[in-house]
Amino acid sequence: NAGVMQNPRHLVRRRGQEARLRCSPMKGHSHVYWYRQLPEEGLKFMVYLQKENIIDESGMPKERFSAEFPKEGPSILRIQQVVRGDSAAYFCASSPWTHALGGEQFFGPGTRLTVL
Amino acid sequence: AQKITQTQPGMFVQEKEAVTLDCTYDTSDPSYGLFWYKQPSSGEMIFLIYQGSYDQQNATEGRYSLNFQKARKSANLVISASQLGDSAMYFCAMRGEGGTSYGKLTFGQGTILTVHP
Repeated sequence: NAGVMQNPRHLVRRRGQEARLRCSPMKGHSHVYWYRQLPEEGLKFMVYLQKENIIDESGMPKERFSAEFPKEGPSILRIQQVVRGDSAAYFCASSPWTHALGGEQFFGPGTRLTVL
Repeated sequence: AQKITQTQPGMFVQEKEAVTLDCTYDTSDPSYGLFWYKQPSSGEMIFLIYQGSYDQQNATEGRYSLNFQKARKSANLVISASQLGDSAMYFCAMRGEGGTSYGKLTFGQGTILTVHP
């Protein structure tokens, strides 16, 4: 059973370009979470999605950031008009359910975004 | 709102010794879960151990144990018989059961552990 997959692993963009980060959850998992890790900091929650629904986007910046998890295909985190402050590691995690508190979130390897 | 505090930016331990990494938390949720993750220099997040707030016993997983003191709101990670491969960043995290804390993990700032031979 393959783990959570993220691609690309490394992404370089120039200021003003768009960044698209992809996350394929583990097989059978319908819950996806995105987290951002700035240098020297812990992970910060961004958004929680189930298939075709955004459940909680309280951690998403109000502008330029969007996320989706379509019925078919991976979850996408999109950052429009990137700025240097967007440089960070972006982690995706998935779980089969959320109702149990101990439902472990399985993390992907992360995408390292560098904005020049 | 939930908050996790890890007050030790860095810790050093001799190989084969035990080490305790501190974690305190704050939440208004009546039930919650506490997690520890390891992040080696390669960057991936590795789940180590979980403790539920209503669990009667402290969680253990191999060389990892969680010293859960609910009244003090602390969830310290104890690593016994440290190995060189334990050198990494360690994150404490929690998740509540309802409202705005549902689903998402809240992480602390992390502690860098260095194991000396």
